[in-house]
Amino acid sequence: QVQLQESGPGLVKPSQTLSLTCSVFGGSISSGGYFWSWIRQRPGKGLEWIGYIFESGSTYYNPSLRSRVKISIDTSKNQFSLRLSPATAADTAVYYCARDAGWGAPYNWFDTWGQGTLVTVSS
Amino acid sequence: EVVMTQSPGTLSVSPGERATLSCRASQSVSRNLAWYQQKPGQAPRLLIYGASTRATGIPARFSGSGSGTDFTLTVSSLQSEDFAVYYCQQYKNWPPSLTFGGGTKVEIK
Repeated sequence: QVQLQESGPGLVKPSQTLSLTCSVFGGSISSGGYFWSWIRQRPGKGLEWIGYIFESGSTYYNPSLRSRVKISIDTSKNQFSLRLSPATAADTAVYYCARDAGWGAPYNWFDTWGQGTLVTVSS
Repeated sequence: EVVMTQSPGTLSVSPGERATLSCRASQSVSRNLAWYQQKPGQAPRLLIYGASTRATGIPARFSGSGSGTDFTLTVSSLQSEDFAVYYCQQYKNWPPSLTFGGGTKVEIK
């Protein structure tokens, strides 16, 4: 069974770049068909989808974040990553990586999630 | 953007009782609706997709219904492990559109 694990700095200064990595265990990130997403949960608020990447490197981002977000994939390390820049206090959140339930095409709902990592944007 | 509104914000229920949670979309999403359960300190767990299909391993006491703009998640007989926050999520395949509701907290009465 595939497991996901987020990692990265827990504290980021405003105007800098928020960078996180999701490691995939128990399966290959390039097994041919899955879409890999980032989702965040700001304190006291609901969940917000950030974007996804396919193993080929194709991406799609939430329009509200598109200008600041980049998601990349490293199949050799079985990882995918999130970069958000410039970070602001409003980006303080628990960030989750997740696998789309679809294979070959995104279903846009998620059956596998990482445990989440809290990132605080503060000076 | 499709706005998802969940009600009530908090639901107080006794163990063994039925819980009924509502989710309303600002425009029709057909049956493109998923439900998740989240416990403190944990990631969301997929319960339902396609408005009414239970995900793998989800007990039969969880059921989903609805289409268009109005959806319901029912837990027929609440167990102690079911007290949590529940989120609905609408999805559209292309262009991708995903938005979540604000959540309903189910607490012990």
